[in-house]
Amino acid sequence: SYELTQPPSVSVSPGQTARITCSGDALPKQYAYWYQQKPGQAPVLVIYKDSERPSGIPERFSGSSSGTTVTLTISGVQAEDEADYYCQSADSSGTFWVFGGGTKLTVL
Amino acid sequence: QLQLQESGSGLVKPSQTLSLTCAVSGGSISSGGYSWSWIRQPPGKGLEWIGYIYHSGSTYYNPSLKSRVTISVDRSKNQFSLKLSSVTAADTAVYYCFAHPDYWGQGTLVTVSS
Repeated sequence: SYELTQPPSVSVSPGQTARITCSGDALPKQYAYWYQQKPGQAPVLVIYKDSERPSGIPERFSGSSSGTTVTLTISGVQAEDEADYYCQSADSSGTFWVFGGGTKLTVL
Repeated sequence: QLQLQESGSGLVKPSQTLSLTCAVSGGSISSGGYSWSWIRQPPGKGLEWIGYIYHSGSTYYNPSLKSRVTISVDRSKNQFSLKLSSVTAADTAVYYCFAHPDYWGQGTLVTVSS
């Protein structure tokens, strides 16, 4: 079955840049979506179609794609950005969805 | 702006069928543009895609759950539903309904226990 691979954890100090990667063989063909989830809350979309930012999401959140890897970048990390982040995409057929295992972002 | 709200039993006995409904407001479930989906999250773990249904009625399921899952739409009530049969403790999770890519329900905890 198709999988997306994320690092389990990333740690940064406030004001620094956090980069969270997501790797999968079908990513050159399928869009990726990024979700932020804080404890006890439903996920929130922060990036769609690899690099588009929904309205209301701070400009410090950005997304990029290169080959089989997509990256969520948070510039000038703030304490409120501490959360779990999940990438989501589809297999090469576009039919079956998958989530990455999630990355816990810790703001030191 | 869409709003989604899950409802259903929070406690299901092993081997029985889990049933949840997602009420959609702020838009029509019959319009295109969204995949009406179910996602679950076991306690302390990550998100797992269960399946989705298009406004056309076409359904797609996670292969690991396909034999036990049914997702359906009730257009008259503007809602969609999830049925998961033969549940075990491993199906204990927070279940979310989700209009991909950007609208989520608040989630509902379903516990499988006798």
